[in-house]
Amino acid sequence: SQQGEEDPQALSIQEGENATMNCSYKTSINNLQWYRQNSGRGLVHLILIRSNEREKHSGRLRVTLDTSKKSSSLLITASRAADTASYFCATQPDTGNQFYFGTGTSLTVIP
Amino acid sequence: DTGVSQDPRHKITKRGQNVTFRCDPISEHNRLYWYRQTLGQGPEFLTYFQNEAQLEKSRLLSDRFSAERPKGSFSTLEIQRTEQGDSAMYLCASSKLAGAGGELFFGEGSRLTVL
Repeated sequence: SQQGEEDPQALSIQEGENATMNCSYKTSINNLQWYRQNSGRGLVHLILIRSNEREKHSGRLRVTLDTSKKSSSLLITASRAADTASYFCATQPDTGNQFYFGTGTSLTVIP
Repeated sequence: DTGVSQDPRHKITKRGQNVTFRCDPISEHNRLYWYRQTLGQGPEFLTYFQNEAQLEKSRLLSDRFSAERPKGSFSTLEIQRTEQGDSAMYLCASSKLAGAGGELFFGEGSRLTVL
């Protein structure tokens, strides 16, 4: 079974706007990661945030983590058409080495 | 790094046939993972290896599925007596053992269609 759930399932915005995606999970974690997947391709790692961190930045990406609420958010600023993809959160439970992926958010950025 | 490679990229088979997928991870990566992904869903964990040892296998994985990593390098995933419900993208990923924070590097996947 999948560990996390992303919200919204689909998001459509204009180029230049910001996109925010949320992830909720169920158990205690070591870290949470965000991945991107273009249609029919493999997943690409975007950013990792550890359980003792609250916020992390990487270029146009900003990730927050609230372990008390078991939730994370991914913000993409100044979106581009090339950001169109599906975005998944993945959690690594503190009890194991596997990674569990959420259901994903499909982002469409309209030029 | 040459990246994670998977073969074949596409496989069409008839129900009841056996299929095998191969994954070549990034050379210095100790951990190797197999996931299954159906349309519109996130990757579903199947199993993972640390070197040649298979350390965890999903309870959702039926006995028709078997995975090996004989020398701690490449891995194979075999599906016996395929069923239409096995149609999916099979993704392989690798990572370093600790230190790198567990970032997964994915291959492009092997898409299976069972007729």
